[in-house]
Formats: sequence, structure tokens, C-alpha cells
Amino acid sequence: DAGVIQSPRHEVTEMGQEVTLRCKPISGHDYLFWYRQTMMRGLELLIYFNNNVPIDDSGMPEDRFSAKMPNASFSTLKIQPSEPRDSAVYFCASRRTATYEQYFGPGTRLTVT
Amino acid sequence: KQEVTQIPAALSVPEGENLVLNCSFTDSAIYNLQWFRQDPGKGLTSLLLIQSSQREQTSGRLNASLDKSSGRSTLYIAASQPGDSATYLCAVSTDSWGKLQFGAGTQVVVTP
Repeated sequence: DAGVIQSPRHEVTEMGQEVTLRCKPISGHDYLFWYRQTMMRGLELLIYFNNNVPIDDSGMPEDRFSAKMPNASFSTLKIQPSEPRDSAVYFCASRRTATYEQYFGPGTRLTVT
Repeated sequence: KQEVTQIPAALSVPEGENLVLNCSFTDSAIYNLQWFRQDPGKGLTSLLLIQSSQREQTSGRLNASLDKSSGRSTLYIAASQPGDSATYLCAVSTDSWGKLQFGAGTQVVVTP
């Protein structure tokens, strides 16, 4: 049974470039969460979806960040333009409505130079 | 605003000793509390989930207790092993959507 899949695992880009992070949730899960982890701020929730609909994006730091979920098996988190302070590990997690247990992907380590 | 605190930030114990990890939260109106494990460079693995109506959950050598009124949860790991070395995070959910607020974690090292 495949877990949450994220790509790429590592991304190095220059300031000002567009970055797109991808996530495939576990099949049958109808909630998807995007988190960011940094040493300074720990794990922070950015946005989450239920049945592909964004429910709460209050954690998205700026308008430079956007997220979409075009179907039940795919979501993207886009940063445009990227800045060095966006450097972090970005995690995607999913869960089913019936349970509250969240399953995390391996994360994407983003470095913006 | 809910705040989640984990003390200590780091812990080192010899193999075989029991581990006791603490988590406290400021708002007792939680839906549930989860304990996760994170290995270096990896994602989070869910260990235990305690619903607000429960007092404890057990899985193998792991036992987690919840005292909502005092805003505390404790994760016990019996007979620690070097493979238990990792960072342990607790997270609380304050609504039915399940969004989590995390503590900063406790980094555990179990020495052989």
C-alpha cells in the first residue's frame, strides 16, 4: 500500500524563480494538508483541502504561495516568486474522514539561494 | 490561541530505560491529540492518537495518556532501544477538520 508521495524530494532554485511542489495522497483519503517545517518555527499548517476543496488557507504566508487540488489524487503547492526565507521542508499529509490519523509524505526539502 | 509545549527539548537515556516524554497545551478544548515520530530527513510517522474522550492509548511498548483538564499528555516508551532514537512530536487538533498544531518536539537518543 503506497503512502503519501511527494516530488521532488529536493529542490534547489534561485530567488525569483517559480517552484512547484507535488503531492499524491493515499487513495481513498479525502483530506489533504500542506505543512512547512523550519528550525525557527517548527511545523506549521499552510492549507488543507476536503474533497478537493480548499477549506482553510489562513496559514499561507503570502500571496506568493498558492495551492490547488484538481482531483482526489493530486495536489500542488506553488511559490512564485521564491525567496530565500521560503527555504524549508514542505510536507504533505492525508487522512480519511472516518479517522483523524494523518499520514505524512517524506517531504520536499526546498533551498532558495 | 492554542500553544503546544514539549519539555525537555532533548533527552539521552541508556538502552533498557523507560522513556517519559511530556506535552502540554494551553487550551483544553481539544478534539484529539497525536504523537508522531520523526527520523532525520524523513517524514512523520503517527504513533498514537488519543480522542478527547479517552484517557490513554497503548500500542506495543508505547503508552500515551491524556489529561485534558490539566492540558497534559505523556508518552511512555518501555524498555527503550537504540532504534527508538528519533524526534517525538505531539500535536493537538481543536476542531473536527483535524488540522494539527504541533509542539517543537523532543529529540531522543538511546545509547547502547
